[in-house]
Amino acid sequence: QKEVEQDPGPLSVPEGAIVSLNCTYSNSAFQYFMWYRQYSRKGPELLMYTYSSGNKEDGRFTAQVDKSSKYISLFIRDSQPSDSATYLCAMSRDNYGQNFVFGPGTRLSVLP
Amino acid sequence: NAGVTQTPKFRVLKTGQSMTLLCAQDMNHEYMYWYRQDPGMGLRLIHYSVGEGTTAKGEVPDGYNVSRLKKQNFLLGLESAAPSQTSVYFCASSEVNSYEQYFGPGTRLTVT
Repeated sequence: QKEVEQDPGPLSVPEGAIVSLNCTYSNSAFQYFMWYRQYSRKGPELLMYTYSSGNKEDGRFTAQVDKSSKYISLFIRDSQPSDSATYLCAMSRDNYGQNFVFGPGTRLSVLP
Repeated sequence: NAGVTQTPKFRVLKTGQSMTLLCAQDMNHEYMYWYRQDPGMGLRLIHYSVGEGTTAKGEVPDGYNVSRLKKQNFLLGLESAAPSQTSVYFCASSEVNSYEQYFGPGTRLTVT
């Protein structure tokens, strides 16, 4: 079993839809949870960061962590064609970058 | 402020050839990382450095060597390329013990 699992997609939604992207993990020691966005042929960029459990909102984006279920989610409201990208979850037991574990990413297409 | 840059952007090698990938950052970050990204596998850490003159192995270090002679540069070497090293290579940098990594645009390497 991989340490971090993510549905690879592709996920296609119409513009304006609410998108839910998810990751599951097996290591209960993970406390730091991140979502990176990666446009085609570009490097990933940090989108959201959450420490421990709970929700965090930033504009149209909400990150949710459920440590009891070992499940994290990223919600995108009012999705736009510019949101079309691959979304990678990443997590770690500490904030040392060398310990981050990345999911394989979910490819999202938002259709106009 | 260019951020993280990588040279070259593309390269095709024959099995057994050698090459060096160059990463440069202008953010004065202490930490630097080399990852490879393969379909369905997510980002996997090859080597990392927590400061000038220091390097350490990541998850998949075999077949690669690195050097960090200057704080702003991190070099990744392939001494004898193999088809299994066909991948997209990303360099990243971060501040000390920061969850946020800044990624370069990637190098697409094909080994035939």
